[in-house]
This record gives sequence, structure tokens and C-alpha cells, in this order.
Amino acid sequence: DGGITQSPKYLFRKEGQNVTLSCEQNLNHDAMYWYRQDPGQGLRLIYYSQIVNDFQKGDIAEGYSVSREKKESFPLTVTSAQKNPTAFYLCASIRRYGGGENTEAFFGQGTRLTVV
Amino acid sequence: GEDVEQSLFLSVREGDSSVINCTYTDSSSTYLYWYKQEPGAGLQLLTYIFSNMDMKQDQRLTVLLNKKDKHLSLRIADTQTGDSAIYFCAGADSWGKLQFGAGTQVVVTP
Repeated sequence: DGGITQSPKYLFRKEGQNVTLSCEQNLNHDAMYWYRQDPGQGLRLIYYSQIVNDFQKGDIAEGYSVSREKKESFPLTVTSAQKNPTAFYLCASIRRYGGGENTEAFFGQGTRLTVV
Repeated sequence: GEDVEQSLFLSVREGDSSVINCTYTDSSSTYLYWYKQEPGAGLQLLTYIFSNMDMKQDQRLTVLLNKKDKHLSLRIADTQTGDSAIYFCAGADSWGKLQFGAGTQVVVTP
């Protein structure tokens, strides 16, 4: 079955450590996105990638890094520079159709990161 | 780019209709979307409407679009406890990048 998988579901990090969140999709989508969700707030875009080997900063990229070496994979690293990393992180894979005008997002189940 | 606003909270009694409202600023969205998020999970596409339509009905869901006022709404008929969730409206900007509203928390009470 095609889908998008995030791992792990829960992650604990000590202050000062980098951690990497995994996002894999087998939907053959070109575009993938990372969002951060805080309680009572909507989704904030961290990074996005429209195609392999290319990615752009979103609205809150500071303290995060990504890579897109393969179409299927878009890992997110939360670095020690991120001041308040505790949040729920969502990865999405984007399907474009109708000549590229139409956009449907498929979300993973999320990773809850807690700094201890 | 797209700027999308929603009311944050809605309480509704089981069996009543729910109406969730959304306004957007960028009119370049070809499609406008509603997503549902259950606790601790990712978002799932619920329904969408093409920008040249003003209404779309899909079983208990009705989407209304007022393009002139840039106002989108989602009506859920006969609301059930399983409809308790956060609902996000979203639109794609001219680059195809999705912009989400802050989400409306819907709580269904018996």
C-alpha cells in the first residue's frame, strides 16, 4: 500500500543534542514538506522540497536542516540551535494533478518531540 | 502568498449541524481544501472545492465558497462524536505551496 511514514512516533532529546526525524513516502510524489504544530496553533512550515536535491526554507527554518537525496526520503534534523524544539512534527507528501494546478497533501502520523 | 484565517473553537451538540468558517486572502488558489486532524494523528483530506464552484455536497459535508468575499465554509450535518477533531482549511498559492489556517477545534457534546 502506498503511503507516507514518519518515525519515530515519540522522540526524547536532551538539550544540546541534534536529532533527526525520518519521513519516507512511496507515493512517487515530487514535493515533500515539514510542518511544526504547537498546541492551539496551526501548522507552520519549516522546510519544503519541490524536487530531489532541492529544498527551500519555510517560515520557521531557523534551527532546522533537511536533505533530499532521494525522492522517497526527506529527513528533518532538529539542531541544538533550535531554542524551543518541543512540538509535534508533521511531514507531508504533495500530489499535483490537473496540469499542476491542483494540490493534495498526504500527511504522516507525526512525530512528537520532547526535550528533556 | 496565501493568508488563511479560521475561528479557533466550536462546540456543537450531537445531532446538530456544525459550520466552520475560513477566510483567505490570495485568490490564486484553484482548489480549496478541508482537512481533519484527530488527536495525535496527521491530517487527512476531508473534501475540497474547485474555485469556480460555489457549493459542493459530499454525504454529510457541504462546502460553500463565496469567491467575492473570499470566504469558505464547511457544514457537517447530523454531527457525531466521531466528528470531534481539528479542522483545517487550506489553499495553494500560485506556486502550488499549500497554506493552512490555524485550525478549528470542534467539540461534539452529547
